[in-house]
Amino acid sequence: EVQLVESGGGLVQPGESLRLSCAASGFTFSRSYMSWVRQAPGKGLEWVANIKQDGSEKYYVDSVKGRFTISRDNAKNSLFLQMSSLRAEDTAVYYCTTGGYRAWGQGTLVTVSS
Amino acid sequence: DIQMTQSPSSLSASVGDRVTITCRASQSIFNFLNWYQQKPGKAPKLLIFDASNLQSGVPSRFSGSGSGTDFTLTISSLQPEDFATYYCQQSYRTPYPFGQGTKLEI
Repeated sequence: EVQLVESGGGLVQPGESLRLSCAASGFTFSRSYMSWVRQAPGKGLEWVANIKQDGSEKYYVDSVKGRFTISRDNAKNSLFLQMSSLRAEDTAVYYCTTGGYRAWGQGTLVTVSS
Repeated sequence: DIQMTQSPSSLSASVGDRVTITCRASQSIFNFLNWYQQKPGKAPKLLIFDASNLQSGVPSRFSGSGSGTDFTLTISSLQPEDFATYYCQQSYRTPYPFGQGTKLEI
């Protein structure tokens, strides 16, 4: 069974940093594109970033370019999202999802507030 | 960037109704279009990929059609468990935006 478990969310102040992790199991992680998608409270879904199987290509939505970095460790079946210079508008549930968006984690809540 | 526009934003229907949700892309995305269902407090669930392909395990009352810029999701006979929010998403070119969502209510 495919399983994705996000962690690392929490309450931070504007301008601070946070690192999200996603532990993957039940499939061949190293062969899958991976993505992060977020959802602000009461709002719709927003695609954030994705990363190629070997980490050689990464893409971001404009609103996080230069502030967020997606990465992966295929040896540990893990996906990461390093978030810096956080803003109130980054407050959301962050989901980890596989290539093709067939499997999703339960999400981790990031709250940016003073 | 490609923009996705969904309509309607909300829809009232009854069990047994046939329902259609539309999604329009700002430029051709060929058939690179996904549909998702999301229930409150849960992660999205992939229903349809590549515009018309039913994801494994999804009931056959769900169907998708379209290509280019105009797409539809149809639920042939609404069941109680289908009341949820539905999103389209283009997967042709990054970034991969979602539509704004359609809330299907009783």
